[in-house]
Amino acid sequence: AQSVSQHNHHVILSEAASLELGCNYSYGGTVNLFWYVQYPGQHLQLLLKYFSGDPLVKGIKGFEAEFIKSKFSFNLRKPSVQWSDTAEYFCAVTYNAGNMLTFGGGTRLMVKP
Amino acid sequence: GAVVSQHPSRVICKSGTSVKIECRSLDFQATTMFWYRQFPKQSLMLMATSNEGSKATYEQGVEKDKFLINHASLTLSTLTVTSAHPEDSSFYICSARDLWQGQETQYFGPGTRLLVL
Repeated sequence: AQSVSQHNHHVILSEAASLELGCNYSYGGTVNLFWYVQYPGQHLQLLLKYFSGDPLVKGIKGFEAEFIKSKFSFNLRKPSVQWSDTAEYFCAVTYNAGNMLTFGGGTRLMVKP
Repeated sequence: GAVVSQHPSRVICKSGTSVKIECRSLDFQATTMFWYRQFPKQSLMLMATSNEGSKATYEQGVEKDKFLINHASLTLSTLTVTSAHPEDSSFYICSARDLWQGQETQYFGPGTRLLVL
C-alpha cells in the first residue's frame, strides 16, 4: 500500500533557528507532492507543491521543499523560523496523476519566542 | 489560493438525528470533492470521493448508508451523517479539487466539528 511517512512527530525550535521536516513516500509510480500547514484553530492551507521541473520548490512564507527522487523524499525547509510558524505540517502525495491524496501523519512544530 | 467553505462550522445534535454538512468551492468549479475525518492529534483519514453527477466512492470501512454524499453541482457537495451516534463525533473536513494549468491541487475547507450527545 502507498504510504507517506513524517518521522518527526514533534519539533520544538527557537525563533531564527533553521527548520527541516522530513517526508518520505513509498514507491508507487509518478508522484505529485504537497505540503500543507494547519495553524492552530485554522484549516489546512497549501504551502507548496511539486509536479515537475525544478526539484527545489519555493512556497509561501519563506518555505521551500526539495524533491529527491532517489531518496523518495520531499523535505520541507525554512532557513529562519518565526513564532508564527507554530503549526502542524502535513506532507501529502498523489500517485500516477490520481486525485487521492495520501497524507503523512503530520509534524507539530512549536517555535519558542 | 482557491477558497472552500463549509457549513456549519460546529454542530451539536442528539443521538439518532441526522446532520448535513455542506462543502462549497467559492471561486472555482470542482467536479471532485473529498470528505475526510480528522481525529484528535491525528492526520486526515479519507472517507469518500464525491463526484459531480455520479455516486460517491467510499473508502474501505466507511458505511455509505451512514455517510450519504450528494454532489449535485460543480460547487457544492453535502455529507449527511444519518442516525448519528456519539462515536460519530469528530472533525469532518472537505476538500475540492482544482485543476489549473494541468495541475491538480486540493484546497481544504475549514472543517465541521460534530458532537453527538
